[in-house]
Amino acid sequence: GNSVTQMEGPVTLSEEAFLTINCTYTATGYPSLFWYVQYPGEGLQLLLKATKADDKGSNKGFEATYRKETTSFHLEKGSVQVSDSAVYFCALRGAGNQFYFGTGTSLTVIP
Amino acid sequence: SAVISQKPSRDICQRGTSLTIQCQVDSQVTMMFWYRQQPGQSLTLIATANQGSEATYESGFVIDKFPISRPNLTFSTLTVSNMSPEDSSIYLCSVGGGTGFNDREAFFGQGTRLTVV
Repeated sequence: GNSVTQMEGPVTLSEEAFLTINCTYTATGYPSLFWYVQYPGEGLQLLLKATKADDKGSNKGFEATYRKETTSFHLEKGSVQVSDSAVYFCALRGAGNQFYFGTGTSLTVIP
Repeated sequence: SAVISQKPSRDICQRGTSLTIQCQVDSQVTMMFWYRQQPGQSLTLIATANQGSEATYESGFVIDKFPISRPNLTFSTLTVSNMSPEDSSIYLCSVGGGTGFNDREAFFGQGTRLTVV
């Protein structure tokens, strides 16, 4: 079946620190992979996506590379800002158009 | 893209009552999904709302507790029936995707924050 395993949080970083949030997946076939972000009090927003192996999704300084050999889609950002404080969800899209989400990782960036 | 309007945005309800959540999309979509996000947890798919047929429920969710309507291609409702405090969650409507494996993203409503007292 399909599942997503995501790094446990919460994560607290100082401004301008490097961020990595690990995500691995189990899926049948070749799913599309996504990172969603949920800012306090808001709904989920797409952060970035990748549709095939070796694709790199990027947005707002965040990047993630679709690694088929390690079934991973780790999220990275070189220099985080206070405004990046949010909950980040890794997800995959299965054949039935259903999305499977990781447990979410809460990030707090302190000045 | 799709714009999803969900209401109410929040509600506080008495145990034993029911609440119906509405989801309106600005374009016609084949499939709509309802998720639950319990406090501090990830999203769990409740069911897929299919236009013109019964909703498809995930394991652990039943129609008697979460009846769903899908009268047309732009609208769906989820009812949380006979509520208990354990039903306190954020309920999210979602649309997206096409057929097969492609890169269509999921779009989410703002969610309905339900508190049962």
